Amino acid sequence: EAGVAQSPRYKIIEKRQSVAFWCNPISGHATLYWYQQILGQGPKLLIQFQNNGVVDDSQLPKDRFSAERLKGVDSTLKIQPAKLEDSAVYLCASSLRTGGGNGYTFGSGTRLTVV
Amino acid sequence: GENVEQHPSTLSVQEGDSAVIKCTYSDSASNYFPWYKQELGKGPQLIIDIRSNVGEKKDQRIAVTLNKTAKHFSLHITETQPEDSAVYFCAASGGTDKLIFGTGTRLQVFP
Repeated sequence: EAGVAQSPRYKIIEKRQSVAFWCNPISGHATLYWYQQILGQGPKLLIQFQNNGVVDDSQLPKDRFSAERLKGVDSTLKIQPAKLEDSAVYLCASSLRTGGGNGYTFGSGTRLTVV
Repeated sequence: GENVEQHPSTLSVQEGDSAVIKCTYSDSASNYFPWYKQELGKGPQLIIDIRSNVGEKKDQRIAVTLNKTAKHFSLHITETQPEDSAVYFCAASGGTDKLIFGTGTRLQVFP
């Protein structure tokens, strides 16, 4: 089966600019996650979708970050305006369903550098 | 909320030796404990997981043990090989599938 696709792989922007990341999960996976991984740290959940509804966005900085999954398949994560501390790898993951504990499949991530 | 601590942060072993990475979690309601391997420039890859109704699980050279009473779980890699070199993350979750990750262990296996 095809994996989780993410684009772009790398992005360099200046602070206060905007940026968007795209994710296409594994076909049939209802649950989609966006994680932020700062260098040297473990991934931190930003937002979790079940189909096209938000399950958890408690850690999403909503003043600058937004995400959508309009048709319950692919998803975009946007940052506007970006800050230096947003430099990180943004990982998308998907799983078959929510509840009961399931392993995620991660994409390769988008490495964002804010200068 | 859930907090996961992971030790050590770095681990160097000789090829053929064993490696052990330990994690503790804070939320007694957590019931799913996966381990991920992350190679440079790639996303984390699930290598083994364990659920709260099992004390130990093994898959070839890797094994995971869980002590629910102490809220500890550990990853054991035997007969290490250079290709085992990577960053390893433990994680824990409850019923919502929200994974809380540890801070990672950089494993280096020297030939």
